[in-house]
Amino acid sequence: QLQLHESGPGLVKPSETLSLTCAVSGGSISSTNSYWGWIRQPPGKGLEWIGSIYYSGTTYYNPSLKTRVTLSVDTSKNQFSLKLTSVTAADTAVYFCATKGPGGSFYYMDVWGEGTTVTVSS
Amino acid sequence: QSALTQPASVSGSPGQSITISCTGTSSDVGRYNLVSWYQQHPGKAPKLMIYEVNKRPSGVSDRFSGSKSGNAASLTISGLQAEDETDYYCCSYASSSTLVFGGGTKLTVL
Repeated sequence: QLQLHESGPGLVKPSETLSLTCAVSGGSISSTNSYWGWIRQPPGKGLEWIGSIYYSGTTYYNPSLKTRVTLSVDTSKNQFSLKLTSVTAADTAVYFCATKGPGGSFYYMDVWGEGTTVTVSS
Repeated sequence: QSALTQPASVSGSPGQSITISCTGTSSDVGRYNLVSWYQQHPGKAPKLMIYEVNKRPSGVSDRFSGSKSGNAASLTISGLQAEDETDYYCCSYASSSTLVFGGGTKLTVL
């Protein structure tokens, strides 16, 4: 059964870079047609799609975050990563990684990590 | 790319039916039959309830159904149960290979 697990620093200073990793277990990150996504949720607010990466490395970003976001895949470690530069307090949120299970799809996600809380503060 | 519009809250009594709307534009909801709905309990990850407008993943109760008309999609929950009380989010594929979520709706079971 496919499972995802986010990891990374829980506290990041303003203007620095937020880096998170999502470890994939129970399946291969290189599965054909698989997309791997990041979604965040500020405290008390709704979900925001950050971006998705295709297993081949093609990336898709939220236009509002595009200039600050980089997604990457590490097939040797079966994980994918998020980097968000120049963070501010507005980037404080729970960050989820997610994907569509067997068969893959860009359009919806049925496997989610439990989420990791990132606070931006000095 | 603006968030899809959902009512902040809806409510219903046990056994009743409720509908949550999700309004987008001709560039997202109106253009593609790629609307999904997620249920999220506090402190938990979202759970997929509906995909491609009206399809239910295996294991999701048939009390949950989805539809779309024009630029608006809807999630209907019939036979409301106490366990349905939580937050719901719609999501749509949008032009230029992006996804956009709604602001979320809090469902209260009276």
